[in-house]
Amino acid sequence: DVKVTQSSRYLVKRTGEKVFLECVQDMDHENMFWYRQDPGLGLRLIYFSYDVKMKEKGDIPEGYSVSREKKERFSLILESASTNQTSMYLCASSLGTTGTYYGYTFGSGTRLTVV
Amino acid sequence: AQKITQTQPGMFVQEKEAVTLDCTYDTSDPSYGLFWYKQPSSGEMIFLIYQGSYDQQNATEGRYSLNFQKARKSANLVISASQLGDSAMYFCAMRPDTGRRALTFGSGTRLQVQP
Repeated sequence: DVKVTQSSRYLVKRTGEKVFLECVQDMDHENMFWYRQDPGLGLRLIYFSYDVKMKEKGDIPEGYSVSREKKERFSLILESASTNQTSMYLCASSLGTTGTYYGYTFGSGTRLTVV
Repeated sequence: AQKITQTQPGMFVQEKEAVTLDCTYDTSDPSYGLFWYKQPSSGEMIFLIYQGSYDQQNATEGRYSLNFQKARKSANLVISASQLGDSAMYFCAMRPDTGRRALTFGSGTRLQVQP
């Protein structure tokens, strides 16, 4: 069964800490994405990557960075966590650069609380 | 840039009845895909249905159908014969067929099916 695995289901961190959220996929997908989900706002794209060592800003990149050293792993980094980064974080991956349809597989999410 | 609007924060439906969840979108891309996802309380994102912008027929997947009206830029999800297990958050999303490969999501609709 193909999977996107997020390392933690729940995390509690202190303001100012450096936080790493890890995501691993076993499907050899080229594309990987980080979203945050907040009530009433849906899922918003933070960063995405089309290939190893490649990254692009999404719609709300401020306060975040990412790393993709290997194809299967995409890490989201909060350089200095703040309370307004308390949220559910979802990782996703997809295969495909051409064609009109390709599916996305989501991880089960990491609920981050910054205190 | 793409924008997805879901105007119904919450919906109630009686078991075994049909329900329509609204979704409108805005894009300047000539070719794109439209998606619906279900998110139960467990948090996983479950893919329901896909519609390509050039598909002539409305997509159907079991009890799910997508009422696609391109001129109106709407992509409503119809669930027939609602079941208690359909209670969940539902997200409409879109992605252009060229350029950015990430999904853009709406704010979601919480559906509650009543016995």
